[in-house]
Amino acid sequence: DAGVTQSPTHLIKTRGQHVTLRCSPISGHKSVSWYQQVLGQGPQFIFQYYEKEERGRGNFPDRFSARQFPNYSSELNVNALLLGDSALYLCASSLGDRVLGNTEAFFGQGTRLTVV
Amino acid sequence: AQSVAQPEDQVNVAEGNPLTVKCTYSVSGNPYLFWYVQYPNRGLQFLLKYITGDNLVKGSYGFEAEFNKSQTSFHLKKPSALVSDSALYFCAVRDGYNFNKFYFGSGTKLNVKP
Repeated sequence: DAGVTQSPTHLIKTRGQHVTLRCSPISGHKSVSWYQQVLGQGPQFIFQYYEKEERGRGNFPDRFSARQFPNYSSELNVNALLLGDSALYLCASSLGDRVLGNTEAFFGQGTRLTVV
Repeated sequence: AQSVAQPEDQVNVAEGNPLTVKCTYSVSGNPYLFWYVQYPNRGLQFLLKYITGDNLVKGSYGFEAEFNKSQTSFHLKKPSALVSDSALYFCAVRDGYNFNKFYFGSGTKLNVKP
């Protein structure tokens, strides 16, 4: 089975632009979460979606938004990009069932976003 | 609130020697603790987890971790380090309500010298 796939792997954007990052979870996983990893730091939680509904949101501005599609894939959108948005954006998928809370999350390889 | 701390930015060990990467946690409720490894320009790979049960948890690639409730620690260990173990290691704790939300430590860079 394929793991979590993210696209694109790298991209460069200019300040003020908009960006869309994509994630396909592991087959059978219904939950997708997004994390931002700034260089030298641990990943920070941005969003979590389960069954197309937002289930959690981290401390990020409204410029960040996301959605989940019927096939459980997800998009992360960032508007009005700032230099500080430069980071590795990681997508994680899991079964997403609270009853199965002992399951781990599986991460994609990330999208490296550089804002210039 | 849930949080983890990794007190060492970097750990240096010689190949063949035992290694320890430290992690302490602060949680409300039962701790669900994880270790992930990140190689350069890659995502995170799951190593092991503690949910309940034995305090010594065995994981991938010969790694293990010891859960210590009294010291609120979850240190990662390996009896004999390999050069290929050199990477960035993250300790994480799961949110008590949202099981898909993790709080990560700042990471520890492990350098294994030949």
